[in-house]
Amino acid sequence: GESVGLHLPTLSVQEGDNSIINCAYSNSASDYFIWYKQESGKGPQFIIDIRSNMDKRQGQRVTVLLNKTVKHLSLQIAATQPGDSAVYFCAENRGASYDKVIFGPGTSLSVIP
Amino acid sequence: DGGITQSPKYLFRKEGQNVTLSCEQNLNHDAMYWYRQDPGQGLRLIYYSQIVNDFQKGDIAEGYSVSREKKESFPLTVTSAQKNPTAFYLCASSIAGASNQPQHFGDGTRLSIL
Repeated sequence: GESVGLHLPTLSVQEGDNSIINCAYSNSASDYFIWYKQESGKGPQFIIDIRSNMDKRQGQRVTVLLNKTVKHLSLQIAATQPGDSAVYFCAENRGASYDKVIFGPGTSLSVIP
Repeated sequence: DGGITQSPKYLFRKEGQNVTLSCEQNLNHDAMYWYRQDPGQGLRLIYYSQIVNDFQKGDIAEGYSVSREKKESFPLTVTSAQKNPTAFYLCASSIAGASNQPQHFGDGTRLSIL
């Protein structure tokens, strides 16, 4: 479901450490998941996606894990850099329709130099 | 460079005024979307269009209108009927709808009330 809160969850990590950002999704029928990165004052940028027939997918410095049993998605960022500071949010596609993509409220990642 | 261009970056609306937000894409995408982003909330769908001359209401269409006369353009009008228009508005496009394809976003327009 959608969050009605005004404050985003925040994650602070030391530069060079690994970051793990979590997302719970609500519909067991969702078959496609996407992570976006949004920097202040900008639009979301695609990071990585995963389909429901996979448990793990790796990109450059990022890994997405999907646990369908508990409806949980995570984004792991290796060797976090100051440029990784942003809001990260997941999106789930609940069906083959243009209006069925649901976006989470996001997590604010702050990297400490 | 292919991408989505939104303009203006900042927009101010007076009481009773309609304002139009521009969205242009040169990605040759069929589908285009408008979202509203409020602090601490996920993106909410206002309108979407799968093809030229066709568009559908999203979850929060009241007080908004759109047109899709050209494939590359999907302007959003915030009418005076929208009583709480202050928000960050994002336009997006995708290859053939949102199913199994990521959406590409513009850099948004921030609308405020004078």
